[in-house]
Amino acid sequence: DSGVTQTPKHLITATGQRVTLRCSPRSGDLSVYWYQQSLDQGLQFLIQYYNGEERAKGNILERFSAQQFPDLHSELNLSSLELGDSALYFCASSVARDYNNEQFFGPGTRLTVL
Amino acid sequence: AQSVTQLDSQVPVFEEAPVELRCNYSSSVSVYLFWYVQYPNQGLQLLLKYLSGSTLVKGINGFEAEFNKSQTSFHLRKPSVHISDTAEYFCAVSPLYNQGGKLIFGQGTELSVKP
Repeated sequence: DSGVTQTPKHLITATGQRVTLRCSPRSGDLSVYWYQQSLDQGLQFLIQYYNGEERAKGNILERFSAQQFPDLHSELNLSSLELGDSALYFCASSVARDYNNEQFFGPGTRLTVL
Repeated sequence: AQSVTQLDSQVPVFEEAPVELRCNYSSSVSVYLFWYVQYPNQGLQLLLKYLSGSTLVKGINGFEAEFNKSQTSFHLRKPSVHISDTAEYFCAVSPLYNQGGKLIFGQGTELSVKP
């Protein structure tokens, strides 16, 4: 158990819908990262928050957004869903803001868009 | 920009045999290097990391990796594998001097250990 929790574990929804994925980092970690794992794209970095502020952005679509709350949990919002958004979404956390030396990953949320 | 190439998508091997999973990277800045393992239906777990110092790094579960700066490689090795090592292995880099601590992953190598 990494100490990072993600809910829900599975999510099935229809095209055009909007969903919210939730992540709670390890106690004491200030950085939260979101990654998408799909068969065609592999594991891709989406976005990082550090202590409530956006720190780095990767290959995140405009239809996707994230935020980190004062209690340090984070939510990833996916809207106008398309079939191609079906993937495993991981959250990770670390102590560091930059040059991290270890990230701890949650178990992931599997999103299926029908 | 950085990129990571894992040279083998699948590696079948018999139990108790040695294994090497190959990883090459490209980066215009210095990077930290990592190997993560993903067991079926689970999240990623850190196997080992290279930050600085000795180029031979030992990790969990008997794995080790060697950083070769001239060849920009970070190959993962285990002298004798077990059935329980069956999993997907990811090589990753984290660039220094960039904003944030993102990980850039390779495409993964599926290790299949047969009895």
